[in-house]
Amino acid sequence: KAGVTQTPRYLIKTRGQQVTLSCSPISGHRSVSWYQQTPGQGLQFLFEYFSETQRNKGNFPGRFSGRQFSNSRSEMNVSTLELGDSALYLCASSEGAISGNTIYFGEGSWLTVV
Amino acid sequence: DAKTTQPTSMDCAEGRAANLPCNHSTISGNEYVYWYRQIHSQGPQYIIHGLKNNETNEMASLIITEDRKSSTLILPHATLRDTAVYYCIVRADNNAGNMLTFGGGTRLMVKP
Repeated sequence: KAGVTQTPRYLIKTRGQQVTLSCSPISGHRSVSWYQQTPGQGLQFLFEYFSETQRNKGNFPGRFSGRQFSNSRSEMNVSTLELGDSALYLCASSEGAISGNTIYFGEGSWLTVV
Repeated sequence: DAKTTQPTSMDCAEGRAANLPCNHSTISGNEYVYWYRQIHSQGPQYIIHGLKNNETNEMASLIITEDRKSSTLILPHATLRDTAVYYCIVRADNNAGNMLTFGGGTRLMVKP
């Protein structure tokens, strides 16, 4: 089985622009969640989608948004980029609502805002 | 989810067992203990998880105390490639969602 795939792996954007990151979960996984990792704040949960519905949301401003498609693929968008949005963005997938299920992470997308 | 406490860093000699402790004294009865590791610049890698019983897989063993207030991840024969940050996470056994709360983790350095 292929793992969690994230694209692009690296990107550079300018302040004020917007960015869209893509995530393809493991085949059969219906839950996709997103995390932001920075040196100062560590790994922080952004949001989770299950069956195209946002199920949980972390403490991030409204500039951060996401969606999930019927094939479970997910995208996250950050609008009006700020320098502080420079981070590693990680996508994770799991089978769904099953208790004790394992969450698997992708390799991440490195975003640099200049 | 319950908070976990881990040492900031540890060293281990190559070939020896690495024992990484985790304290989760406020864990609830329905919370699992999960371990992940992150090698520099890569996504976190799942290692193992357990509820009450000790668990073993091809990567590691997880020892959970009887009162479940602490656990130890054991890498039986550490190699240089095991150098990473190890995260201990407790997560509720419910349908509320798949959210993981990461702490600072333990930075394990395996030395030749």
